[in-house]
Amino acid sequence: DSGVTQTPKHLITATGQRVTLRCSPRSGDLSVYWYQQSLDQGLQFLIQYYNGEERAKGNILERFSAQQFPDLHSELNLSSLELGDSALYFCASSVQAGRTDTQYFGPGTRLTVL
Amino acid sequence: DAKTTQPPSMDCAEGRAANLPCNHSTISGNEYVYWYRQIHSQGPQYIIHGLKNNETNEMASLIITEDRKSSTLILPHATLRDTAVYYCIVRPQGYSTLTFGKGTMLLVSP
Repeated sequence: DSGVTQTPKHLITATGQRVTLRCSPRSGDLSVYWYQQSLDQGLQFLIQYYNGEERAKGNILERFSAQQFPDLHSELNLSSLELGDSALYFCASSVQAGRTDTQYFGPGTRLTVL
Repeated sequence: DAKTTQPPSMDCAEGRAANLPCNHSTISGNEYVYWYRQIHSQGPQYIIHGLKNNETNEMASLIITEDRKSSTLILPHATLRDTAVYYCIVRPQGYSTLTFGKGTMLLVSP
């Protein structure tokens, strides 16, 4: 158990819908990262927040957005969902935001878009 | 970004040492080598990381060559639960994110 929690574990929805994935980082961690893992793309970094502020952006679509709240939990919002958005979404957290900080991953949310 | 090259798959007998190689010939002097593993659709699990010196923790050992162009992750006594995809990652200077490649699928058999 990494200490990172994600809800829900599974999500099934239809194309065009909007969903919200939630992540609670490890106690004391200020930085949160979101990753997407699909069969054809592998594990890809989406976005990072540090203490409430966006720190880095990866291959995140404009239909996706995220935020980190004052209590440091984070939410990833996915809208106008397409079949290709079906994937595992992982959240990770680290103490700070530096390149030597170890990231610890949550168990993931499996999103299925029908 | 420094690229990594790993064999797509490896086999190991239970109880034996598993030695997973990684080539990172374009690594820069201040880039760290990280190893993670992912057990079937679970969240990636941190294993170990290093810069220049060999490192050991309760899970594994990391051997980095003197020129830093390659490294080897060693699981000293592999168990069936070590069956997973192992990712070798070089962390670019100035970036805190992780770039995952395809990794090595390690199959530990009885």
